[in-house]
Amino acid sequence: DADVTQTPRNRITKTGKRIMLECSQTKGHDRMYWYRQDPGLGLRLIYYSFDVKDINKGEISDGYSVSRQAQAKFSLSLESAIPNQTALYFCATSDVTGSNQPQHFGDGTRLSIL
Amino acid sequence: GESVGLHLPTLSVQEGDNSIINCAYSNSASDYFIWYKQESGKGPQFIIDIRSNMDKRQGQRVTVLLNKTVKHLSLQIAATQPGDSAVYFCAENMSNFNKFYFGSGTKLNVKP
Repeated sequence: DADVTQTPRNRITKTGKRIMLECSQTKGHDRMYWYRQDPGLGLRLIYYSFDVKDINKGEISDGYSVSRQAQAKFSLSLESAIPNQTALYFCATSDVTGSNQPQHFGDGTRLSIL
Repeated sequence: GESVGLHLPTLSVQEGDNSIINCAYSNSASDYFIWYKQESGKGPQFIIDIRSNMDKRQGQRVTVLLNKTVKHLSLQIAATQPGDSAVYFCAENMSNFNKFYFGSGTKLNVKP
């Protein structure tokens, strides 16, 4: 079973629709992240959370919102989807132990907005 | 099809040869670095990491070299196998900020 699970894996929707992407983890990590990946570009951070009550904007948060419902769950919402939000979206987690820990990724959600 | 690999530098190697993938990082204050492997339809998978107090670190068939003087990181894969075909990218982090910055990646093609 995957440690970081994203749902749905694929989604096609129309401009203006509200969309929620879900992420759940069984790793017991406190820190969770949402990234988007576009062709030829590195992963870009949308939002991150270091604890259930902690939410922080990343470099490209406009047009997105998040909710950290529990330690294991972190959801990403597009309130009114637009075509340039078509991308691969990844959720990641990391441990707080020590100052440097790798991030562990889910297998992504491919989102297409028509 | 897989769109992640479009417009990326590509390295083609023969099965059994060694591969070297390079990465130039941007911030001289970065103190932690990771190499990830991303296969088609999958999320990035951790391969190996290195901290700035080291120049070299070895794993199973992989070695990471860090040159802080020129802000350069490389990943060496020994005896490359078809299963190594993927996009590889580096990530840098400043521990004070707890956020990673990711390179765009290199696509490795292993020819049988």
